[in-house]
Amino acid sequence: QTVVTQESSLSVSPGGTVTLTCGLSSDSVSSNYYPSWYQQTPGQAPRTLIYNTNSRSFGVPARFSGSILGNKAALIITGAQAEDEADYYCVLYRNTVLFGGGTRLTVL
Amino acid sequence: QVHLQESGPGLVKPSETLSLTCTVSGDSVSSSDYYWSWVRQSPGKGLEWIGYIYRTGSAFYNPSLDSRVTISMDASRNQFSLRLTSVTPADTAVYFCAKILLYYFAPYYFKSWGQGMLVTVPS
Repeated sequence: QTVVTQESSLSVSPGGTVTLTCGLSSDSVSSNYYPSWYQQTPGQAPRTLIYNTNSRSFGVPARFSGSILGNKAALIITGAQAEDEADYYCVLYRNTVLFGGGTRLTVL
Repeated sequence: QVHLQESGPGLVKPSETLSLTCTVSGDSVSSSDYYWSWVRQSPGKGLEWIGYIYRTGSAFYNPSLDSRVTISMDASRNQFSLRLTSVTPADTAVYFCAKILLYYFAPYYFKSWGQGMLVTVPS
């Protein structure tokens, strides 16, 4: 069974930069997996941030960017703000939809 | 602007069938550009993809739920629905409906989400 791996938790200082990663238990992640990223705050529906590895969804601030780093997909937040404190999920597609377990990001 | 709204019973007894409907406005479930999907989130846990359906009625499911899940569509009402049979307390979750943009008939990304609906299966 393929598992999508994410850091369980990360922290960043206000104004700092943080990288969240999304890996696969059985393969390297490439753009062929159409990596996408979603932000979820408590009690809310997910919000689409990034699709197709590095395309920002409409209205998403430029401080959010996506890339492939090594064998993983990555979400980079440059200049983190307090409102970025949330859970972040990656999704990969390879014959089925695969959700990562999520990363809880704390801004402090 | 598309809007997706989940509806259905918020409480389902163990061993019974969970049935939810997603009503879509601002877009058409008959569009060739999208899959229409269900995702759930157990309390304090991560997101879990349940399945999706295309305008043709073809549906694809998470293998872990495949034997219990059916997703259907009613184009005349611009709705799609979820049925999950033989529920247990482990099926207690917030259920989201969502729109997936297609790219060469592959799911590209989740473009829009409903607000979600809590369904509880008591122990």
